[in-house]
Amino acid sequence: KAGVTQTPRYLIKTRGQQVTLSCSPISGHRSVSWYQQTPGQGLQFLFEYFSETQRNKGNFPGRFSGRQFSNSRSEMNVSTLELGDSALYLCASSYIGQGSTNEKLFFGSGTQLSVL
Amino acid sequence: LAKTTQPISMDSYEGQEVNITCSHNNIATNDYITWYQQFPSQGPRFIIQGYKTKVTNEVASLFIPADRKSSTLSLPRVSLSDTAVYYCLVSGTGRRALTFGSGTRLQVQP
Repeated sequence: KAGVTQTPRYLIKTRGQQVTLSCSPISGHRSVSWYQQTPGQGLQFLFEYFSETQRNKGNFPGRFSGRQFSNSRSEMNVSTLELGDSALYLCASSYIGQGSTNEKLFFGSGTQLSVL
Repeated sequence: LAKTTQPISMDSYEGQEVNITCSHNNIATNDYITWYQQFPSQGPRFIIQGYKTKVTNEVASLFIPADRKSSTLSLPRVSLSDTAVYYCLVSGTGRRALTFGSGTRLQVQP
């Protein structure tokens, strides 16, 4: 079974631009969650999608948005990029996510975003 | 949100046993405890999960006392390749199921 695939692996943008990151979950997984990780920081939860609906949201500004398609693939978008948005963006998939107490999360390798 | 507390960092030497403790005082009845390992520039990887008492797999053991307010990840005979950040996650329902703590940075020396 293929793992979680995130594209692109690396991305360089300038302040003010917008960016779209993609995540393809493991086949059969319906929950996709997104995280931001900056150097020295832990994993900051962005949002979770299940069956094309955003089910949970972290404490991030509205510049961060996402969506999920009918095939469970997900995208996240960051508009009006700021220098502080430079981070590793990770997505994780699971069968039903927060609906089960013993779910295991499967992470992709992430997209390393650099904002200049 | 359920909050987990772990030591920020730990040091060890090759061949030693390492125990990392996570505190989760607000754990709910149906919550599981899950540990993940993360190497630099990679996504976290599932290590072990448990509900109570002891769980063991090929890479680690997880000890959970009766009150379940803490858990201890035990790595037997660590090697240099075990140098990583270890996260404890209380797998409940809702948003807190997806909220990681700060993690423990384990450095294994030769």
